[in-house]
Amino acid sequence: AQTVTQSQPEMSVQEAETVTLSCTYDTSESDYYLFWYKQPPSRQMILVIRQEAYKQQNATENRFSVNFQKAAKSFSLKISDSQLGDAAMYFCAYRSGPSAGGTSYGKLTFGQGTILTVHP
Amino acid sequence: GAGVSQSPSNKVTEKGKDVELRCDPISGHTALYWYRQSLGQGLEFLIYFQGNSAPDKSGLPSDRFSAERTGGSVSTLTIQRTQQEDSAVYLCASSLRVGQPQHFGDGTRLSIL
Repeated sequence: AQTVTQSQPEMSVQEAETVTLSCTYDTSESDYYLFWYKQPPSRQMILVIRQEAYKQQNATENRFSVNFQKAAKSFSLKISDSQLGDAAMYFCAYRSGPSAGGTSYGKLTFGQGTILTVHP
Repeated sequence: GAGVSQSPSNKVTEKGKDVELRCDPISGHTALYWYRQSLGQGLEFLIYFQGNSAPDKSGLPSDRFSAERTGGSVSTLTIQRTQQEDSAVYLCASSLRVGQPQHFGDGTRLSIL
C-alpha cells in the first residue's frame, strides 16, 4: 500500500517571502501522480498543482512550484511571494496511474496535512 | 450546478441514530468519491463510483457504512447506528471520469452526541 508523509504539522511565513512544504511518499509503483491540495477554513479542497511521475520536469503554476525527486520519493511544494490568501491547510496526495490496474486507480491517498500561517 | 454540492452542511445527531449524507456532483462527471476527514485519522478514502457501480469499497470502515449512487448522479452515504467515532467531516468529490482531477465539495460536518 502507498503511504504519504508530511512531517511538518505547521509552518509559517512572512507575506511576500517564500516557504517550502515537505512531502515524502512510499510506493512500489512506477506509474503514479502526485498532488498538492489546499484546504482553507471553508473546508473545500482546492487542487494547487499536480505532477505526473513519468515527467522529469517539475510542475509550476504561477507562484506554486514543486521539487519532485523521484528516486528519493520526495515531493515538496514551494510557494513564492506568499500572500495572506495562501493561509490554509495543505495536503500532499498520491494516486496510482492507470497501468497500476485494479481498483486503486481512482482514490487519492493523503498525507496528514501542514497548516500554513502567513504573517502580514 | 457549478460545483460539487453536499448536504447538509452540518449534522448533529444522537449516538445510535442513522444518518444520510448527500452529494450532488458536477454535471457530466461520471466518477464520484467519498472521503472522511477526522482529527485522529486525517483524510481517508471511503468509496468511489464509476457511474452507478462501486469498484472500490475498501475504505468503508464497517458494515454500518454504505453508499449508493443512482442515475449516475446523486450519491448518498448512509451511516447506521452512529457511534461517536463517526464524528468527522465527510467530503465528496467528482471527476469527469476516473483518473481525471477530482473536484471537492465543502463537506458535511457530522457530530455524534
